[in-house]
Amino acid sequence: AQTIHQWPVAEIKAVGSPLSLGCTIKGKSSPNLYWYWQATGGTLQQLFYSITVGQVESVVQLNLSASRPKDDQFILSTEKLLLSHSGFYLCAWRLTGGARDNYAEQFFGPGTRLTVL
Amino acid sequence: GDSVTQTEGPVTLSEGTSLTVNCSYETKQYPTLFWYVQYPGEGPQLLFKVPKANEKGSNRGFEATYNKEATSFHLQKASVQESDSAVYYCALMSNYNVLYFGSGTKLTVEP
Repeated sequence: AQTIHQWPVAEIKAVGSPLSLGCTIKGKSSPNLYWYWQATGGTLQQLFYSITVGQVESVVQLNLSASRPKDDQFILSTEKLLLSHSGFYLCAWRLTGGARDNYAEQFFGPGTRLTVL
Repeated sequence: GDSVTQTEGPVTLSEGTSLTVNCSYETKQYPTLFWYVQYPGEGPQLLFKVPKANEKGSNRGFEATYNKEATSFHLQKASVQESDSAVYYCALMSNYNVLYFGSGTKLTVEP
């Protein structure tokens, strides 16, 4: 069975400090991977997606960047945190190949809670 | 651009009453529509999806019909339970890799 793991579970950081959040998918090869941000009490906003190692597309940047160093790993980072970066960060995956509709849904990880002070 | 609009504000119901959460969407492409549910402190879970116009999706007593003419995808349940308390999101996918979520509707069901 596939599992999705995000780390850390929660983080408290100072404004201006760097950040690195990670996501690992086990049990599926070559999934499409996604990063989302959710402000407290707000909706989910897609930030990035990746369809293959080394390739990342931006949807909304929010002064963040993403990388996919391995097939099963997706990293979200910034060199300088802003107060507005606080929120819940979610990684998601979906299967690739086959008919579009059969593989359309995304599956979400447990999330990382980020507080910027 | 693509967008999703759903019922604003929290909804409080008594157990056994019916639920409707309105969702409308805009896209010039051919969408797949979803309803997701999110419990506190967790990532969203897929409730169901409907990839084809004028078809219905359902799961756990919830259902929604993809109405292409009205560009709507309202969530309904005939009789809610306390365990249905959660935040519900309507979502639209108009290409393979971008998913647009509505603002979310927080449902509280009182015993």
